[in-house]
Amino acid sequence: AQSVAQPEDQVNVAEGNPLTVKCTYSVSGNPYLFWYVQYPNRGLQFLLKYITGDNLVKGSYGFEAEFNKSQTSFHLKKPSALVSDSALYFCRGDNNDMRFGAGTRLTVKP
Amino acid sequence: SAVISQKPSRDICQRGTSLTIQCQVDSQVTMMFWYRQQPGQSLTLIATANQGSEATYESGFVIDKFPISRPNLTFSTLTVSNMSPEDSSIYLCSVGQVGTGLTYEQYFGPGTRLTVT
Repeated sequence: AQSVAQPEDQVNVAEGNPLTVKCTYSVSGNPYLFWYVQYPNRGLQFLLKYITGDNLVKGSYGFEAEFNKSQTSFHLKKPSALVSDSALYFCRGDNNDMRFGAGTRLTVKP
Repeated sequence: SAVISQKPSRDICQRGTSLTIQCQVDSQVTMMFWYRQQPGQSLTLIATANQGSEATYESGFVIDKFPISRPNLTFSTLTVSNMSPEDSSIYLCSVGQVGTGLTYEQYFGPGTRLTVT
């Protein structure tokens, strides 16, 4: 089984600046890693996933995530943040363990 | 992808009563999940409901309190029984579909916001 940790409860960035939302994982075997976003008063939406292959995974809304095996991390990134990116972001690990990280609230200020 | 609807979208209930939440999917799916989420917090998995088998409950959740039905591949219900204010939460239905590499991509309904008074 796998578990994930999101070390930051809150991330604040200015619009136009790059953003990073952190996720680390612990695993025995090959990791499957996912990112989801929850906009205010809406359900969760799938952003991207890492299964195997390229360490840089591109997803929806201009987001990407970098799988780093040596650092056991799968940080979510975007080169230029938008105010509309303000939301809750959840990391999830494993294929059969449908449990989520604690979540990180991203606030992008104009 | 899958489109999921939930009914009701919100409800205010009195303690001691029960509420049944419906989840409808626009395609046939094997795996369905029920989660609970406090506003602004992470999701807690209540149970996995696969068609043709009994629901599997996570630690801390029991069938008597949260009975689940899964009559077919597009529908499920979660009942919150004998409600107390502690049951006030957002209840989310989710489905899993096999995607690339036999991994499950998860899709979520909009949620049911329950307030127990």
